[in-house]
Amino acid sequence: DIGMTQSPLSLPVTPGEPASISCRSSQSLLYSNGKSFLDWYLQKPGQSPQLLIYSSSNRASGVPDRFSGSGSGTNFTLKISRVEAEDVGIYYCMQALQIFPTFGGGTRVDIK
Amino acid sequence: EVQLVQSGTEVKKPGESLKISCKTSEYSFTSYWIGWVRQMPGKGLEWMGIIFPGDSDTRYKPSFQGQVTVSADKSISTVYLQWSSLKASDTAVYYCARLRGIDGYSVDYWGQGTLVTVSS
Repeated sequence: DIGMTQSPLSLPVTPGEPASISCRSSQSLLYSNGKSFLDWYLQKPGQSPQLLIYSSSNRASGVPDRFSGSGSGTNFTLKISRVEAEDVGIYYCMQALQIFPTFGGGTRVDIK
Repeated sequence: EVQLVQSGTEVKKPGESLKISCKTSEYSFTSYWIGWVRQMPGKGLEWMGIIFPGDSDTRYKPSFQGQVTVSADKSISTVYLQWSSLKASDTAVYYCARLRGIDGYSVDYWGQGTLVTVSS
């Protein structure tokens, strides 16, 4: 199994300010096509997770452009340029390279 | 629009059996992997098992092998998760999730979740 480690565990944010979450994998997620298969999901309170970013840097359909993903290989970052109140929840990274994906432990984002 | 609609909340006693369902629509059911994700109270997300309905290829995470059964009924585009003997530690929300299978195994659609409570 590929291990996924996220930091921080908790992130209090101020609306309008930027935020950043890191994710590291125990082995490279780089595929032969040059893409790294790392996703970001947001689970809002009481809801199912939703896909935000796939292949490290591609926004899923309908995801606001304040969300961006970067990284390659084993180190990845999710950035929110200006946090809004609706962005609270738990953010998970997930390796999508193997048929059995693996989630990170999650980062809880809430408003200060 | 693609939809994954799960069966409702269950309250069971230890030792009882249970089968929960995930009915899919508006996509080719036999062309995508679909699986089950467990979320124990206050905890993160764990994959349990996945199935490719096209050929019934089924795989389990080692920690769930022998503990649950994943199956699919192509005639009604529905996936199931089954226990033969529940334990209190099976108390969790269970999500079905479709794996995109293009550019990796991202989950592009999720069910709404089924809460299973096992208590004597």
